[in-house]
Amino acid sequence: QSALTQPASVSGSPGQSITMSCTGTSSDVGGFNYVSWYQHHPGKVPKLIIYDVNKWPSGVSHRFSGSKSGNTASLTISGLQAEDEGDYYCSSYTNKYTWVFGGGTKLTVL
Amino acid sequence: QVQLQQWGAGVLKPSETLSLTCAVSGGSFSGHYWTWIRQPPGKGLEWIGEIDHSGSTNYNPSLKSRVTISVDTPKNQFSLKVTSVTAADTAVYYCARGEGLSHCFDYWGQGTLVTVSS
Repeated sequence: QSALTQPASVSGSPGQSITMSCTGTSSDVGGFNYVSWYQHHPGKVPKLIIYDVNKWPSGVSHRFSGSKSGNTASLTISGLQAEDEGDYYCSSYTNKYTWVFGGGTKLTVL
Repeated sequence: QVQLQQWGAGVLKPSETLSLTCAVSGGSFSGHYWTWIRQPPGKGLEWIGEIDHSGSTNYNPSLKSRVTISVDTPKNQFSLKVTSVTAADTAVYYCARGEGLSHCFDYWGQGTLVTVSS
């Protein structure tokens, strides 16, 4: 199975909003509303920030929001903060009863 | 509070078998998919496979021939074995809980760096 496609990097200034994409196929992202997003700071454990495309786990800031159109899911972070800097991964269920991650996007807060 | 604690050998030689175990405490062991995920140095996350409390498994097709995930439900533990390891299997390995109702990985173990080197 092929990894989902994410941009290698995005950047933004504090207070701004950024959006990152996650592109798959009709066999994964496009076929299910089972896209989740994870924030990963180096040396730490990945943290779930969005599930089922656009739902928030308890305790996660609503500055993070998710959406999907066709085979592409997106994560938007509004009101960028320095602590948002890190790596972000999307994941999707597939029609082969497996899961697939994206290659990850490195967010830099300028 | 759900906690996942994992352990296993951190250094292996090529052709050896990687073996990791993850113990789950807090929450229910049934009703979830217990998952292994890895991250090679400088690369992204890769889903390895999952198992439920009854032993039903799903594997990443690219690793399926070398991977076995097993479960010990009475102990609330699950394990990963990867045979014939090479340097390409060097990675941080995470165990995680797959949440069936919300289709995500909501709790993660602390991660174990496994290095394959001769």
